[in-house]
Amino acid sequence: QVQLQESGPGLVKPSQTLSLTCTVSGGSISSGSYYWNWIRQPAGQGLEWIGRMFTRGTTNYNPSLKSRVTISVDTSKNQFSLKLSSVTAADTAVYYCARGFYYDSSGYALDSWGQGTLVTVSS
Amino acid sequence: DIQLTQSPSFLSASVGDRVTITCRASQGISSYLAWYQQKPGKAPKLLIYAASALQSGVPSRFRGSGSGTEFTLTISSLQPEDFATYYCQQLNGYPPGFTFGPGTKVDIK
Repeated sequence: QVQLQESGPGLVKPSQTLSLTCTVSGGSISSGSYYWNWIRQPAGQGLEWIGRMFTRGTTNYNPSLKSRVTISVDTSKNQFSLKLSSVTAADTAVYYCARGFYYDSSGYALDSWGQGTLVTVSS
Repeated sequence: DIQLTQSPSFLSASVGDRVTITCRASQGISSYLAWYQQKPGKAPKLLIYAASALQSGVPSRFRGSGSGTEFTLTISSLQPEDFATYYCQQLNGYPPGFTFGPGTKVDIK
């Protein structure tokens, strides 16, 4: 059974770049037809999809964050990463990584999630 | 972009109650809807995909239905472990627009 685990700094200064890594265990990040996603959740609020990557190179980002987000994959380490630049206090949230799959031509869901990691943006 | 709304935002119920949550899409999305459960301090968990397909390991008291613009998640007999927040989700178009609903919190009466 695949497991995902986020890691990275819990505190980032304003205007800097937030960097997180998600380590996938129990399966190869390159196998199958899965997409690898980042989602975030500010305290007491709902879920916001940040973006996703397919290991064959396709990336898709939330238009509201696209100018600041980069998602990349390191297949040799079975990891994928998130970089979010020019952060402000509004980027303070719990960040989750998750595996996505298509159950139909246009039907997509997230079936495995990391436990989440809190990132606080503060000086 | 397709927007999702959920109703109610909050509901209070007792163990054993039948609970229904509604998710509405701003445009038709066929049956391309998923439901998640999130408990405090935990990651969301996939319950239902394709509007009505039960994810492996999810109890049969959870049932999803609907198509087009209106969908429901029904819990036939609420259990203590079901008190949580429930989110609907869809992905549509290209480049894909990925949307979560705002959530419905189910609390103990």
